[in-house]
Amino acid sequence: GESVGLHLPTLSVQEGDNSIINCAYSNSASDYFIWYKQESGKGPQFIIDIRSNMDKRQGQRVTVLLNKTVKHLSLQIAATQPGDSAVYFCAERQRQLTFGSGTQLTVLP
Amino acid sequence: DTAVSQTPKYLVTQMGNDKSIKCEQNLGHDTMYWYKQDSKKFLKIMFSYNNKELIINETVPNRFSPKSPDKAHLNLHINSLELGDSAVYFCASSQDSRGSEAFFGQGTRLTVV
Repeated sequence: GESVGLHLPTLSVQEGDNSIINCAYSNSASDYFIWYKQESGKGPQFIIDIRSNMDKRQGQRVTVLLNKTVKHLSLQIAATQPGDSAVYFCAERQRQLTFGSGTQLTVLP
Repeated sequence: DTAVSQTPKYLVTQMGNDKSIKCEQNLGHDTMYWYKQDSKKFLKIMFSYNNKELIINETVPNRFSPKSPDKAHLNLHINSLELGDSAVYFCASSQDSRGSEAFFGQGTRLTVV
């Protein structure tokens, strides 16, 4: 079946550096993608979304890039801060949201 | 004001018991969901309700029965609990029925012993 997957299960970055979290998806019919952040003991929190007719979208310190040719999604976090430490999920939407397996981002002091 | 609230936050119970988890959203959304997150953090949709009507029912044992008394509430009742039901259960809501910008509750950690 179709699935959403992440290249790396864990990522460690130095405070102040930029972070890039990658996601591969396999269903070309997906029309909408979301990145979620989940802190320990909390529910997933919406970060940013992008529709399939776009290839880039920017938010506050975050940018999502979509490459439909290779079915790849990435989340870039600028000037990573300790509060960015969390598990990050990408999700794709066809009939419903399907989540990837998550990447644990750890910010080192 | 909590947008999506679910209770209880923790639930420890014995095998074979029946338990319920409650969820309420004050966002005025039309669609509510239940997700299950396993020990590896994998999130999988279980059910989706739109305006009190079931629209998605993934491959979930029929021991799990969602109930939506109104569009602001979606409760999850689980019969004859099994060890494998131990997980974190998340309620969520969204304005449309396809999950756009879904808002999640804090989760209910269910432990079956």
